[in-house]
Amino acid sequence: EVQLVESGGGLVQPGGSLRLSCAASGFTFSSYWMTWVRQAPGKGLEWVANIKEDGSEKYYVDSVKGRFIISRDNAKNSLYLQMNSLRAEDTAVYYCARERQLGPRGVFDYWGQGTLVTVSS
Amino acid sequence: EILMTQSPATLSVSPGERATLSCRASESVSRNLAWYQQKPGQAPRLLIYGASTRATGIPARFSGSGSGTEFTLTISSLQSEDFAVYYCQQYNNWPPLTFGGGTKVEIK
Repeated sequence: EVQLVESGGGLVQPGGSLRLSCAASGFTFSSYWMTWVRQAPGKGLEWVANIKEDGSEKYYVDSVKGRFIISRDNAKNSLYLQMNSLRAEDTAVYYCARERQLGPRGVFDYWGQGTLVTVSS
Repeated sequence: EILMTQSPATLSVSPGERATLSCRASESVSRNLAWYQQKPGQAPRLLIYGASTRATGIPARFSGSGSGTEFTLTISSLQSEDFAVYYCQQYNNWPPLTFGGGTKVEIK
């Protein structure tokens, strides 16, 4: 059974940093692109970043470029999101998601339950 | 960036009735369009990809159609478990991957 379990969320002050983790199990993690998607309270879904199977390609939404870093450790079956210079508008539930292996990139077939990040003083 | 617009924002439907949700892209996304369902307090779930292919385990009452800029998700006979928010998402031209604002399907 595919499982994705996020951790690391919490309350952080504006300008602060936080590192999210996503522990994957039930599939060959190193064979899949992985993604972070966020959802502000009461709002819709926003794609944040994704990373290729071997970590050699990474892409970001403009609003987090230069502040967030996506990474992975295939030996630990883990995905990470380092979030720096946090702003109030980064407050959201952050979901880790797996991308479908077949076909075009960018279809999310399994999702974690999410971890809440709150940026507030 | 490709903008995705969903309509209506809220759809009131009685159980057993048909629901039709629309999604429009600001430019052609070919058939690279997915639909997700999200229930309160839960993560989204993939329903449809490739505009019309049901994901694993998705009931046949869910169907998708369209290409280019106009897409439709149809739920043929609404069950109680189908009341949720539905999002479309394009993956034709990225980054960024972009979602629509969502359509909430509520009980009439």
